[in-house]
Amino acid sequence: QQQVKQSPQSLIVQKGGISIINCAYENTAFDYFPWYQQFPGKGPALLIAIRPDVSEKKEGRFTISFNKSAKQFSLHIMDSQPGDSATYFCAARPRGGSTLGRLYFGRGTQLTVWP
Amino acid sequence: DSGVTQTPKHLITATGQRVTLRCSPRSGDLSVYWYQQSLDQGLQFLIQYYNGEERAKGNILERFSAQQFPDLHSELNLSSLELGDSALYFCASRGQGSTEAFFGQGTRLTVV
Repeated sequence: QQQVKQSPQSLIVQKGGISIINCAYENTAFDYFPWYQQFPGKGPALLIAIRPDVSEKKEGRFTISFNKSAKQFSLHIMDSQPGDSATYFCAARPRGGSTLGRLYFGRGTQLTVWP
Repeated sequence: DSGVTQTPKHLITATGQRVTLRCSPRSGDLSVYWYQQSLDQGLQFLIQYYNGEERAKGNILERFSAQQFPDLHSELNLSSLELGDSALYFCASRGQGSTEAFFGQGTRLTVV
C-alpha cells in the first residue's frame, strides 16, 4: 500500500518554465513532508521540507504548497533549468514514536528540462 | 557529499549467494536507516537502528538482516539472493534532534 501517492511519473518542461509535482497522503499522523532530489548514480538529497502548520514554504526557485484539509502537497520549481533535470521524491514522516525518522516515499517524478 | 559512506558501490553476485552491504553514518549520527530502491517498488524502508538497537522494521524480507555496531556503522546482510533482490540499497543517517536524514550514494546490487 503506497502511503504517499505522487504524480506525474515523468515531466518534461522547457527551460524557464514552471515544474509542478503533486503528492497526496492519507495518514494524518504524518507531520513532516520533505522533497528529495536524486541525480543518476547518487543518493536522494533533501531539497526542501515543510510541516503541516504552514501552507507554503519557499527556498529560492523551489516552493512547497501544502493543503492540510485536502492532504495534498506539491513542489513548484520556478524558472526551471536543465540542471534541475533529476528524479524528485516527495516523502512523509509520522510524528514521534519508535518510527521517528522513517520516511514514506512517493514513487518519484523524473523531470527533464529542455534547454 | 552527504557524509554517509556506503561500500561497495556496485556488487554483482549469483542467485543463492549472500552479500554484506556496509554503511558508515555521518559522524555522531546515532540513527541509521536502510532503504531499497527498485523500479517497480520505488524507495522502500527496510529497517532502522538507533545506537545499536533495532528500532523499526519495514518491508524487510526474512532473508535479510542488519545490525549496527558499537562504532555506529551498520551492515545489511542479504542471503539466498534472488533475481528480484537486484536493486539499489541506500543507507541514511540522522542526528538526534534533527529532522533531516542524509543518504549515502547507495550500493547497486545485481543478482545474476
